[in-house]
Amino acid sequence: AQSVTQLDSQVPVFEEAPVELRCNYSSSVSVYLFWYVQYPNQGLQLLLKYLSGSTLVKGINGFEAEFNKSQTSFHLRKPSVHISDTAEYFCAVSRGFQKLVFGTGTRLLVSP
Amino acid sequence: SAVISQKPSRDICQRGTSLTIQCQVDSQVTMMFWYRQQPGQSLTLIATANQGSEATYESGFVIDKFPISRPNLTFSTLTVSNMSPEDSSIYLCSAISLDGNTEAFFGQGTRLTVV
Repeated sequence: AQSVTQLDSQVPVFEEAPVELRCNYSSSVSVYLFWYVQYPNQGLQLLLKYLSGSTLVKGINGFEAEFNKSQTSFHLRKPSVHISDTAEYFCAVSRGFQKLVFGTGTRLLVSP
Repeated sequence: SAVISQKPSRDICQRGTSLTIQCQVDSQVTMMFWYRQQPGQSLTLIATANQGSEATYESGFVIDKFPISRPNLTFSTLTVSNMSPEDSSIYLCSAISLDGNTEAFFGQGTRLTVV
């Protein structure tokens, strides 16, 4: 079975500062890794995904994530955040493109 | 990518009643999923809706409480039966495209409050 740990429930940051949201996973088999974003009162939108190949994955809105197999991590980063990035961010894993196992989420709070 | 429409977007229901949530995709999809997001928590998979057969439920979820229909490749419903305040959650529909080679996409969710 797979599991996902997002250690930070909330990350406050000032606008234009860099940010890293942490995600660690556990699985006995190869998995696909995803980051989804949920804006207030909306559904989930895919930010980026890692399937195979290059360990640095670039997504939408300037986000990127790095897959680290030895540390079983898939941390999300952005070099300069905007107020509009305030949202809930979920890391997820799956075996193939099927049911997803989600982490508990990290609320990113960007202030001016 | 395909678009999922969920209805209703929100509802306030009396305990003991049932609510059916509809999920419509604008293209044919292979797999559809229903997730629950309880207040302040992450998403938990309720079941996989299979076209032409019964849904596959995850541990802790049963068909009597969450009956699901999947009559064709673009539509599914989830019913929350005999509701209690503990059922107050956001319910999200998700789907994977017909070729199965893309990531899951989500509807906007149904925010349910049981009073």
